[in-house]
Amino acid sequence: DQQVKQNSPSLSVQEGRISILNCDYTNSMFDYFLWYKKYPAEGPTFLISISSIKDKNEDGRFTVFLNKSAKHLSLHIVPSQPGDSAVYFCAAYSGNTGKLIFGQGTTLQVKP
Amino acid sequence: DVKVTQSSRYLVKRTGEKVFLECVQDMDHENMFWYRQDPGLGLRLIYFSYDVKMKEKGDIPEGYSVSREKKERFSLILESASTNQTSMYLCASSSVGSGYTFGSGTRLTVV
Repeated sequence: DQQVKQNSPSLSVQEGRISILNCDYTNSMFDYFLWYKKYPAEGPTFLISISSIKDKNEDGRFTVFLNKSAKHLSLHIVPSQPGDSAVYFCAAYSGNTGKLIFGQGTTLQVKP
Repeated sequence: DVKVTQSSRYLVKRTGEKVFLECVQDMDHENMFWYRQDPGLGLRLIYFSYDVKMKEKGDIPEGYSVSREKKERFSLILESASTNQTSMYLCASSSVGSGYTFGSGTRLTVV
């Protein structure tokens, strides 16, 4: 049973426009939600996170929004750059288990 | 520069072989994890360890075992490799107050 879901396998946007990546989860007990970015032949690297008690966190071009009632979070990248092209993983962390559970990933392509 | 090092970037093994994937971290982290990444499935947790000698099953432990004899090293063992274990394997470590740090991954092909 997939507790963290990214229903869009891929997304293509034009350079300078906004990229919106979406993620849904099923377990209300998660403490943190995180986004990781992964280039081919490299491990995932941490991008941005949000505590379950907040609804927005912003870091430069990256903003994560959390809608707890809908069990939904999204990552906004504005403006998108070609170097943002990568696979983005949504992940949820539970302090009780200490485990980080990942979604399926969304491949973002930013066209020049 | 802190890091998680996976000993091999690419491996090709035959069906039935015993395979060892090694992971070493230099951050003195208590927690270490093994994931596999497959298209359309994301990262799935195989095993993790909270301390030396300790291990716990993740979501897909079947066909795998682990060893943590030293704090800095966490080994993933495929007892008898099968073609459905062809995948990208990612090791990570973490500690209280720190996020996960991932290695670069080992792409294993079982033929």
